Amino acid sequence: KQEVTQIPAALSVPEGENLVLNCSFTDSAIYNLQWFRQDPGKGLTSLLLIQSSQREQTSGRLNASLDKSSGRSTLYIAASQPGDSATYLCATGNTGKLIFGQGTTLQVKP
Amino acid sequence: NAGVTQTPKFQVLKTGQSMTLQCAQDMNHEYMSWYRQDPGMGLRLIHYSVGAGITDQGEVPNGYNVSRSTTEDFPLRLLSAAPSQTSVYFCASSYSNRGYNEQFFGPGTRLTVL
Repeated sequence: KQEVTQIPAALSVPEGENLVLNCSFTDSAIYNLQWFRQDPGKGLTSLLLIQSSQREQTSGRLNASLDKSSGRSTLYIAASQPGDSATYLCATGNTGKLIFGQGTTLQVKP
Repeated sequence: NAGVTQTPKFQVLKTGQSMTLQCAQDMNHEYMSWYRQDPGMGLRLIHYSVGAGITDQGEVPNGYNVSRSTTEDFPLRLLSAAPSQTSVYFCASSYSNRGYNEQFFGPGTRLTVL
C-alpha cells in the first residue's frame, strides 16, 4: 500500500530564504506526483504536477523535482515571502486516486 | 469557468440526519472524486467516478453514497450522519483518470455532526 510522508510537519523561516520541502513515497510505481497549497480554512490549490517520466517542473519561484527510484520529491521555493505561508501537500497515485502526505505547514516571517 | 464548486460551505447536522453535499464542475472533466480531511489523518478518498453512470469506492466509503447522472455533477449523500463524519469534505475533478491529468479541488464543505 502506498504511503506518503512529508517532513518536517512545520517550518518557520525568515523572509527571503530559499527552502526545500520534502515528500517521500514507498511505492515507486506512480503515474505522477502533484504538489498543492492549502491556506487555512480553504481548499487545495494545485501548484505543480510532475509526470512519472519527468524529472522536474517549474512555475515562477517554485520548482518541483521527482526521483522515482529513491521515492522522493522536493518542492523548492526561492526567495520566500510572507504570502507563501500556507500548508503544502504532496500527493501521488494511479488512475486518479490520490494518496496524500500529511503536509508541511510553512510560516515565512517578515 | 467557475471550476469546481461545492455547496453548502458549512453544515451542522444531528446524529441520524441525512443530507447531500453538492459538487459541480464546468470543465467537462470525466473524473470526479470526494475526499475527507481530518486532523492527523490527512485527506482520504471516499468515492470516485470515471464518468457519468460509473462510480466506485475509495478508501473510506462506509456511510456515504454517490451517483453520477451527469458529467457535471457528483453529489455525496450521508445516509445517517454520525459524529465520526464530522470533517471537511472536498470534491475534485480532472480531465480523465489517467495519471498525467492535474486534479482540481473545490473549496470544501465543513460538516459538523452533533
